[in-house]
Amino acid sequence: AQSVTQPDIHITVSEGASLELRCNYSYGATPYLFWYVQSPGQGLQLLLKYFSGDTLVQGIKGFEAEFKRSQSSFNLRKPSVHWSDAAEYFCAGFWGNKLVFGAGTILRVKS
Amino acid sequence: EAGVVQSPRYKIIEKKQPVAFWCNPISGHNTLYWYLQNLGQGPELLIRYENEEAVDDSQLPKDRFSAERLKGVDSTLKIQPAELGDSAVYLCASSLDPSGSNEQFFGPGTRLTVL
Repeated sequence: AQSVTQPDIHITVSEGASLELRCNYSYGATPYLFWYVQSPGQGLQLLLKYFSGDTLVQGIKGFEAEFKRSQSSFNLRKPSVHWSDAAEYFCAGFWGNKLVFGAGTILRVKS
Repeated sequence: EAGVVQSPRYKIIEKKQPVAFWCNPISGHNTLYWYLQNLGQGPELLIRYENEEAVDDSQLPKDRFSAERLKGVDSTLKIQPAELGDSAVYLCASSLDPSGSNEQFFGPGTRLTVL
């Protein structure tokens, strides 16, 4: 079955530091790829998506992600983290009319 | 424009009791999804509707779960009877169509606690 793996359950970064959240998808056909953010008590909000073309995609809130086919990865990055970025981040792949989520990475931001 | 609306936001029930969750999707969105999100996990699809038709309910535990979307707009997800293991967040989402190229918009979810 298709799957998405987020190796890091928790990540803590200092405010102003750079961030990279890792995401790998299972081998096979390249899915559509997404990153969502979920703040406590909130629904999931789409940060960015990759369908094809340019492998570096820009999203909202200053986030970007890079698709690397050779590594089956779609890592999320931000050059300077703000305290308001503290949330849980989910990577997802879309295969055959189904969105498959990773387990999420909880981001903590320390001042 | 209003987003996906879900109610209630929180529900606490005793095991073996029935419970129902309601979802109103974004206007004009033909595709509606119910997801289950367990603590520490990503959402998992329970059922997908195209208008009023359930086109993918392969992950719905049909012995105790049921869902309906009678007029192709709002939807109800029911559990009867609830078990301790059903404690989770139930998310509703909607999209224009199921193609994946159209964003799925998520509601805030209903947090169910079964005692």
